[in-house]
Amino acid sequence: KQEVTQIPAALSVPEGENLVLNCSFTDSAIYNLQWFRQDPGKGLTSLLLIQSSQREQTSGRLNASLDKSSGRSTLYIAASQPGDSATYLCAVQETSGSRLTFGEGTQLTVNP
Amino acid sequence: KAGVTQTPRYLIKTRGQQVTLSCSPISGHRSVSWYQQTPGQGLQFLFEYFSETQRNKGNFPGRFSGRQFSNSRSEMNVSTLELGDSALYLCASSLIPDGEQFFGPGTRLTVL
Repeated sequence: KQEVTQIPAALSVPEGENLVLNCSFTDSAIYNLQWFRQDPGKGLTSLLLIQSSQREQTSGRLNASLDKSSGRSTLYIAASQPGDSATYLCAVQETSGSRLTFGEGTQLTVNP
Repeated sequence: KAGVTQTPRYLIKTRGQQVTLSCSPISGHRSVSWYQQTPGQGLQFLFEYFSETQRNKGNFPGRFSGRQFSNSRSEMNVSTLELGDSALYLCASSLIPDGEQFFGPGTRLTVL
């Protein structure tokens, strides 16, 4: 059974700092990996999707990498801003289909 | 392009009642998935529909059911509500089953 772990569970940083969020998964036979952010009481916003054949994806200040062989992904946020404060969730898709297995998330606080 | 919409946004029910939640996917998306989010269990997969067919089902009791209509809109139903069913129910849509998932704002269900 696939298990997804995110470290750290919570992170508090000053504005402007570059930071890395980590995600690991137990079964490397994944189809793709997706990073989301969730604001309190809201739905999930898709940030980046990495196909299993890709090594990384970039969108603005965000960069996500994927190492299937080691079962790891990282989300890099450059020059963090208070508006980046949210919970970041990593999810893997194992087989052809929509089912996602989520990690518990990293709660990020960026202080002005 | 409008995003995924879910109705109602908030619901209060009492134990033993039943409830129906609705999800309208992004225009053109034919795949719809449902998830339950609770503080204790995180995000858990309920079921997935594509072209009116259930393709995948999570580990939930038979009280949880769903369906998809020919216009790709989906409903989920929970019968005989229990206190533990209180959660945020999220719907996601994608163009194809293994594509990028886009989530709606969720329906907050409270069971008293």
